[in-house]
Amino acid sequence: EPEVTQTPSHQVTQMGQEVILRCVPISNHLYFYWYRQILGQKVEFLVSFYNNEISEKSEIFDDQFSVERPDGSNFTLKIRSTKLEDSAMYFCASSVVTGGRNTIYFGEGSWLTVV
Amino acid sequence: AQSVTQLGSHVSVSEGALVLLRCNYSSSVPPYLFWYVQYPNQGLQLLLKYTTGATLVKGINGFEAEFKKSETSFHLTKPSAHMSDAAEYFCAVSVPGSARQLTFGSGTQLTVLP
Repeated sequence: EPEVTQTPSHQVTQMGQEVILRCVPISNHLYFYWYRQILGQKVEFLVSFYNNEISEKSEIFDDQFSVERPDGSNFTLKIRSTKLEDSAMYFCASSVVTGGRNTIYFGEGSWLTVV
Repeated sequence: AQSVTQLGSHVSVSEGALVLLRCNYSSSVPPYLFWYVQYPNQGLQLLLKYTTGATLVKGINGFEAEFKKSETSFHLTKPSAHMSDAAEYFCAVSVPGSARQLTFGSGTQLTVLP
C-alpha cells in the first residue's frame, strides 16, 4: 500500500537554528498538508498546499514557517529560527479527491526537539 | 468553523468488552468525519471515514462508527476489545470545500485491561 514517508524521524536542534522536514507524499496525490502535535495535545493543522501554492494556513503558520515542493516529489516544511515551543511531532499528509471524496493519509511523523 | 469534541480523554475497558469512544462535532455544513488511531511512537492511521451514503461505516480491525446527524455524533465502537487496540484515537472533521483540511479532537487514550 502506498505510504507517505517522512524524514528525519527525529531531529534535535538548537534554538535559533533552521530546520527542514522532508516528506514524500503518495505519488498520485495532489493535496499536501502539514500538521503538528505538541506532546500531550491535539493534532493541529498548519498548512495545505495544492497546485504549487498554499491553499490554506492556520494562525500557527506564521512567517517563521514555509513550505515548498522543490522537485515534484518532495514536500518540505522549513522552520526558520526555531523556538523551544516548536518542539512537536510534525506530520505530513497527502490526499487525492476521487468521486468527490477526499481521504487524507498521514506519514509516521518527524519528532522535532528544540533545545 | 468546524470543531470536534471527544468525551473522555482516557477510557479503560477489559479485554473482550465493548469499546465505545465518543465524538461530537460542530459544523455549519454537512461534514466528512474520520477516526484515526495512533499507536505509541507511530503516525496517524485511518480507521474509518464517513462522507456520504450509509451512516454506519465499518473500518479496519473490527471498528465501526455511526453518523447521527440529529445528535451531531460519530461514536466509534468495537464489540470486543483486544489488547492490541490500546492506542490513542482521534476523531476528525473535514468540511468539503475548506481546502480539505482536517480539524481534530483532543484524542482518547484507550487502555485495554487483561
